[in-house]
Amino acid sequence: SYELTQPPSVSVSPGQTARITCSGDALPSKYAYWYQQKSGQAPVLVIYEDNKRPSGIPERLSGSSSGTMATLTISGAQVEDEADYYCYSTDSSGNDRVFGGGTKLTVL
Amino acid sequence: EVQLLESGGGLVQPGGSLRLSCTASGFTFGSHAMSWVRQAPGKGLEWVSGISTRGGSTFYADSVKGRFTISRDNSKYTLNLQMNSLRAEDTAVYYCAREVVGGDFTDYCDHWGQGALVTVSS
Repeated sequence: SYELTQPPSVSVSPGQTARITCSGDALPSKYAYWYQQKSGQAPVLVIYEDNKRPSGIPERLSGSSSGTMATLTISGAQVEDEADYYCYSTDSSGNDRVFGGGTKLTVL
Repeated sequence: EVQLLESGGGLVQPGGSLRLSCTASGFTFGSHAMSWVRQAPGKGLEWVSGISTRGGSTFYADSVKGRFTISRDNSKYTLNLQMNSLRAEDTAVYYCAREVVGGDFTDYCDHWGQGALVTVSS
């Protein structure tokens, strides 16, 4: 089955740039999507189609994709950005729908 | 405002059954495919099942195929998940989510409910 691989954790100081990666063999032909999940809350879509932000998502969150790796970048990370972040995509056929294992972002 | 409200969670014994429901509001329910996504305690997200706009096509993760059945009632703005032959590893928060179609025809979830906890234990 298809897999998306994320680092388990990323840690930055407030104001620094955090980068969370997601690797998958089908990413050259499939978009990546990113979700933010704060403790005890439901996931929230923060990036869709590699690099687009839904309304209400701060501009400091951005996405990019190159080859088999997608990246979520949080520029000038703030304490309120502490959360688990999950990438999502599908295999090349679109049939296998997969979330990455999640990355815990710590800002302190 | 899009709202999704799950109900029906609870404690069930291994081998038992449970039916989850999700009531939608704030959008035209019948215009969107819908999904269920679950999250085991302390674990990541797992897509479980999806259904097309009119219910004619249904999709399941291998882990639940043959045990879970997804359905919808567009007249009542309701999504359902019938879960049979439940196992301890089905213990999770189950989220109802609205789907949209991405530019590469990938279905993804853009709005999620708050979730319903299902605990399978004796």
